[in-house]
Amino acid sequence: DAGVTQSPTHLIKTRGQQVTLRCSPKSGHDTVSWYQQALGQGPQFIFQYYEEEERQRGNFPDRFSGHQFPNYSSELNVNALLLGDSALYLCASSGFGQPWGGTDTQYFGPGTRLTVL
Amino acid sequence: EDQVTQSPEALRLQEGESSSLNCSYTVSGLRGLFWYRQDPGKGPEFLFTLYSAGEEKEKERLKATLTKKESFLHITAPKPEDSATYLCAVQAAGRRALTFGSGTRLQVQP
Repeated sequence: DAGVTQSPTHLIKTRGQQVTLRCSPKSGHDTVSWYQQALGQGPQFIFQYYEEEERQRGNFPDRFSGHQFPNYSSELNVNALLLGDSALYLCASSGFGQPWGGTDTQYFGPGTRLTVL
Repeated sequence: EDQVTQSPEALRLQEGESSSLNCSYTVSGLRGLFWYRQDPGKGPEFLFTLYSAGEEKEKERLKATLTKKESFLHITAPKPEDSATYLCAVQAAGRRALTFGSGTRLQVQP
C-alpha cells in the first residue's frame, strides 16, 4: 500500500522566484492538506483540497496557491519567494471527504525541503 | 484560537527509564487529538487519535491518554530507537486544519 509521496525531495530557489511542489495521496484517500514546518516548530496549516476545491485555508498570503487534480494528487505553488519561505513543506492525505463526517486522521508524506537564497 | 503547548521541549532518558510527555490544549470543541512521531528531516508518522476524555490507546511501549485539558504520552522502558520528536495536534469541531504544538525532542541513550 503506497503511502503519501512528495516531489521533489529538496529544492533551492532564489528570492522572487516561483516554485511548484507535488503530492500524491495515500491509496484510497481523496483529501489533501498542505503544511509548512519551520525548523524546530510544529507544522502550520496552509490549506486543504477536496473535490478539486480549496475547502479551508490557514493564515498564509495569496502568494501560496494550490490545485487538486481529478486523480486526487495536488500541487502547492508559491510565488515571489521570500527568505522566510524556507521550510519543510508537508503534504497530508485523509480519507473522509464528506463535509462533517468523522475525524479525518491525516497521514503525512516525507516532505519537500525548500531553501530560498 | 486553538492552542497546543507541549512540555518539556526536550527530554533525555536512559534506556529503560520510563517517562511522560505532556500536551496541553485549548480548543473550541475537540474533534480529535493526534500524536505523531517525527524523525529528523522526515514527515510526521501517525501514532494515535483520541476522541474524548478518559480514552486511552497503546502501541508497543507507548500509551496515550486524554483529559478535557491535556493529553499525556507515556513511554515505558524506552529504547534508543524511540528517539525522535513527538508532536501533538488538535482538530476543532467544524475545522479541517490540525493545530500542532512545537513538539518534544526525546533522546534515549543506551
